[in-house]
Amino acid sequence: NAGVTQTPKFQVLKTGQSMTLQCAQDMNHEYMSWYRQDPGMGLRLIHYSVGAGITDQGEVPNGYNVSRSTTEDFPLRLLSAAPSQTSVYFCASSWLAGSGELFFGEGSRLTVL
Amino acid sequence: AQSVAQPEDQVNVAEGNPLTVKCTYSVSGNPYLFWYVQYPNRGLQFLLKYITGDNLVKGSYGFEAEFNKSQTSFHLKKPSALVSDSALYFCAVRDSIDQTGANNLFFGTGTRLTVIP
Repeated sequence: NAGVTQTPKFQVLKTGQSMTLQCAQDMNHEYMSWYRQDPGMGLRLIHYSVGAGITDQGEVPNGYNVSRSTTEDFPLRLLSAAPSQTSVYFCASSWLAGSGELFFGEGSRLTVL
Repeated sequence: AQSVAQPEDQVNVAEGNPLTVKCTYSVSGNPYLFWYVQYPNRGLQFLLKYITGDNLVKGSYGFEAEFNKSQTSFHLKKPSALVSDSALYFCAVRDSIDQTGANNLFFGTGTRLTVIP
């Protein structure tokens, strides 16, 4: 059981480039989300989804785009990378029912030069 | 609005001593409270949660947490610290009346625990 899988683990971009961070889960979770982790700021929610075809903005959505075409996949797109988007990105998922504790991927470390 | 505060960036404790990592929260309704642990270059791992019921919650690796409604706190504790407990700990909260219907957690800024041999 792979859980939540994120790719790539590391990426270096130049300002203005675009890229997609991939996230897949094999637990049939309805809820998926993307967080960014920055020193001294904890984890901040970027976007989330409660099911295929449904997405919504979190706390810090600007500069990011998401889609949810299947239950399993929730890619995060950086449209035009900026140095302020240098961060570690985590994908998380859970069932909607119950308390909803999150299962996290291993993270993707992005550096924008 | 939901928020979490972890007042200590760093906690140092000697191996074998009890440890406490502090967390306070703010929500409009009833809180769902969580603790997660992050080891270097890894994702967050779930430790324990409080939803309702007994104020003392037991979790993984011998950790426990005490919910105190009057003080709006959810401190993480362990009776005897191990060197392997050294990691970054995050407290998180979700409001029971979250209108989004989603499981969005709001995280504190994290506390780095160092257990000294």
